[in-house]
This record gives sequence, structure tokens and C-alpha cells, in this order.
Amino acid sequence: KNQVEQSPQSLIILEGKNCTLQCNYTVSPFSNLRWYKQDTGRGPVSLTIMTFSENTKSNGRYTATLDADTKQSSLHITASQLSDSASYICVVRISNFGNEKLTFGTGTRLTIIP
Amino acid sequence: AAGVIQSPRHLIKEKRETATLKCYPIPRHDTVYWYQQGPGQDPQFLISFYEKMQSDKGSIPDRFSAQQFSDYHSELNMSSLELGDSALYFCASSAPESGELFFGEGSRLTVL
Repeated sequence: KNQVEQSPQSLIILEGKNCTLQCNYTVSPFSNLRWYKQDTGRGPVSLTIMTFSENTKSNGRYTATLDADTKQSSLHITASQLSDSASYICVVRISNFGNEKLTFGTGTRLTIIP
Repeated sequence: AAGVIQSPRHLIKEKRETATLKCYPIPRHDTVYWYQQGPGQDPQFLISFYEKMQSDKGSIPDRFSAQQFSDYHSELNMSSLELGDSALYFCASSAPESGELFFGEGSRLTVL
């Protein structure tokens, strides 16, 4: 069972609509959580990084939230554009006495249709 | 279910030596990605392949090369190794229909 679960697995929405992607994790001790956007065949682009003390962070039309108590994060995309079609990956970093590990979610495939 | 297989899991080399990392994607996955994660750093994208052709290139040094073979496995070749190449190298593959990404466990390279 993946320790970083993303939902939905895929999502199709109309251009201009909003959507929210979810990331639930069970790994600990938590260090930070990052959302990436990755176009097929391309390298990932970091959208936002959330640390333990941060609840909300925005980057343009992207807003990420983090609830460290429930171990949940969301990525909200406002006024979607066709270029938002991509995979969105949630990556959780844990840090334990100097040992660090990344755990990747399997991503949410977002398709924006005109 | 089969996952992304990376080998070797651990590798120790000396400076100026050569290393080769292998990645076996999940069957039917047509895209492979390579990432490098240095100590205390976030993963950096190196290179990707789609249907055996390079599809994107990131911060991959000229000393590194990679290719995807006819059976879709990929190899990352690193020459003239430097101390700074010590890192965890991740490989990921994606499903053609859903674009869902699956990451391997990584290969840890230590350069002495």
C-alpha cells in the first residue's frame, strides 16, 4: 500500500472550471510536502512546498493546503486552462535523525477540455 | 503487481570511474524518467524517454548519458564520476493511458 495516496487517479474538467486534487499520507516524521506538475514525457515542475507549520500557500492559480494533524494536503486549481493538463504529483519528505526519504504519490492525471 | 525495478540498489565508485544504473519500467509503460536527489535536496529531473526517444532533458551533466532500449528498459551512464555525483537516482515510468506515475526505490550512488 502506497504511503502517499492521491485522488482522484484521473480527472477531466472543462476549461475555466476549478478543481481540487487530494493527497493523503501516512509516512512520518513529516518534513515537508511538495506538489509537482509533470507534463507527459517532461520533467516535473515544482508548484509549491509545504512545511509542517504552513496551512495554505498560493502560487498563481494554484493553492495548496496542508493539515499536518490529519496528514492531508490538497491542491486547488482555479480557472483551469488547457495548459493545466498534466500529472500532478505529491511528494512527501520525511526526516529522521538525519536520514531523509522521499515518498512519491502516483499522481493525478488532470485533463482540461475546451 | 510488478513495480519499477532499479538496479543496483547501492553502488560505490571512486572518482573518475564510470557507473551504469538500470531501470526496468512497469510492463506497457512507454515513458521513463530519471531524477537525481542529492543529500538534503529535492529531486532534480535529469532526462526522460518516450517510446525509446529522448523526450525531455533537464539538468543532466554532459558526463552523463542515457538511453531507452527496445524492451523499454533504460540505462543511465555516468562517466568521470565526481564526489558531487553521490546521490539517490530515481527512475519512474508512466502508464500510456492514465499518465499515472510509478517510481522505483532508487539507486544510491556513493562516490569516494
